[in-house]
Amino acid sequence: AQKVTQAQTEISVVEKEDVTLDCVYETRDTTYYLFWYKQPPSGELVFLIRRNSFDEQNEISGRYSWNFQKSTSSFNFTITASQVVDSAVYFCAPPPEGSHNKLIFGAGTRLAVHP
Amino acid sequence: GAGVSQSPSNKVTEKGKDVELRCDPISGHTALYWYRQRLGQGLEFLIYFQGNSAPDKSGLPSDRFSAERTGESVSTLTIQRTQQEDSAVYLCASSLVTSGRIADTQYFGPGTRLTVL
Repeated sequence: AQKVTQAQTEISVVEKEDVTLDCVYETRDTTYYLFWYKQPPSGELVFLIRRNSFDEQNEISGRYSWNFQKSTSSFNFTITASQVVDSAVYFCAPPPEGSHNKLIFGAGTRLAVHP
Repeated sequence: GAGVSQSPSNKVTEKGKDVELRCDPISGHTALYWYRQRLGQGLEFLIYFQGNSAPDKSGLPSDRFSAERTGESVSTLTIQRTQQEDSAVYLCASSLVTSGRIADTQYFGPGTRLTVL
């Protein structure tokens, strides 16, 4: 992908609310991978998911789910029943076009979950 | 097993001094990456290694930045004649392999916070 857009700069929710983080990317590649990472206040990036462009099935992992729509170049992330520990910056990160040797990061979406 | 480790965790230096940042990747990971993260921003790619070779150095911001990797393990990022704009968190990541059309998962270390006074 040449570009990734996470339009929501900051989201604030109350615990137990569901929240969806949007990710839209641009690419001319026919085969590509997409990643989501979480960066809690401690600063370390935590890998959440890797998805290849062949597989458009939605994925669920506990309270986390991902909706990949190739037709709209979106890879949205939903947290169900949010918890305070979900407070972090979330990055959607695709590789650039024609390359799988690095990731492109936007500014991310800062999620604040309040008790 | 152990994750990616980086040292030091914090480094404060004076403008004009040289600094070395170290990264120990996950054992067995052949690919290693350096990124920089300025305050409130996303990560900027600096360089990646496949084994001990660096096929992509396109993100290094100037010739004051260099990196090397030895023994397909430890990597060192060196910044010469540091400037205040170099202040950032420097993150290292490693992945099992990077080849062809496969983007393997990158696992990140805790980073080194560099402050240039």
